[in-house]
Amino acid sequence: AQTVTQSQPEMSVQEAETVTLSCTYDTSESDYYLFWYKQPPSRQMILVIRQEAYKQQNATENRFSVNFQKAAKSFSLKISDSQLGDAAMYFCAYRSLNTGNQFYFGTGTSLTVIP
Amino acid sequence: EAQVTQNPRYLITVTGKKLTVTCSQNMNHEYMSWYRQDPGLGLRQIYYSMNVEVTDKGDVPEGYKVSRKEKRNFPLILESPSPNQTSLYFCASSLMGAGASYNSPLHFGNGTRLTVT
Repeated sequence: AQTVTQSQPEMSVQEAETVTLSCTYDTSESDYYLFWYKQPPSRQMILVIRQEAYKQQNATENRFSVNFQKAAKSFSLKISDSQLGDAAMYFCAYRSLNTGNQFYFGTGTSLTVIP
Repeated sequence: EAQVTQNPRYLITVTGKKLTVTCSQNMNHEYMSWYRQDPGLGLRQIYYSMNVEVTDKGDVPEGYKVSRKEKRNFPLILESPSPNQTSLYFCASSLMGAGASYNSPLHFGNGTRLTVT
């Protein structure tokens, strides 16, 4: 099974500043998909951004962007101009194209936004 | 509205009393799965299904059962709940298959907070 590692259990950022959440994964597959999910206190799981491994261009969604380094098996999430509503638990996820199209999740990073 | 409907939202029960958490999706997704979320452990997969009548164990299947008799429904059954199954549970669904469908994300239900005393 693939392993997804989020090494930062907690992070904090000042409002309007930029923060980067790290994610690494272990795989022998050449093609796969990566996702970041946000879980606010409401506990709803919300898709933030997705990345196809075969695409070299990093995905962006408004203030959210990723730094995808395929060789390093790294998939970090950058949040620009942080807002109070960005405070949440963030999960990195890997989707395998082989093993039953499985999704594998990291342990999460809790982000605090300081006003 | 496209959604995954999971019920109940909160459930408190006693050890050994059988319970079912329901999950239904209206997006015609082939793939459905159950996760439990525990502090410091992230989301761990319990069971998943790639189609009707096809189910497979995830990472933590012990103490759980599932069934997939219809494409839209994927209930989670705890035959004899124990306190170590106290957790937050999520049902999720996704497209699966070839090509562009692979970047289909998981769509989650709103979660069930289960407490077993």
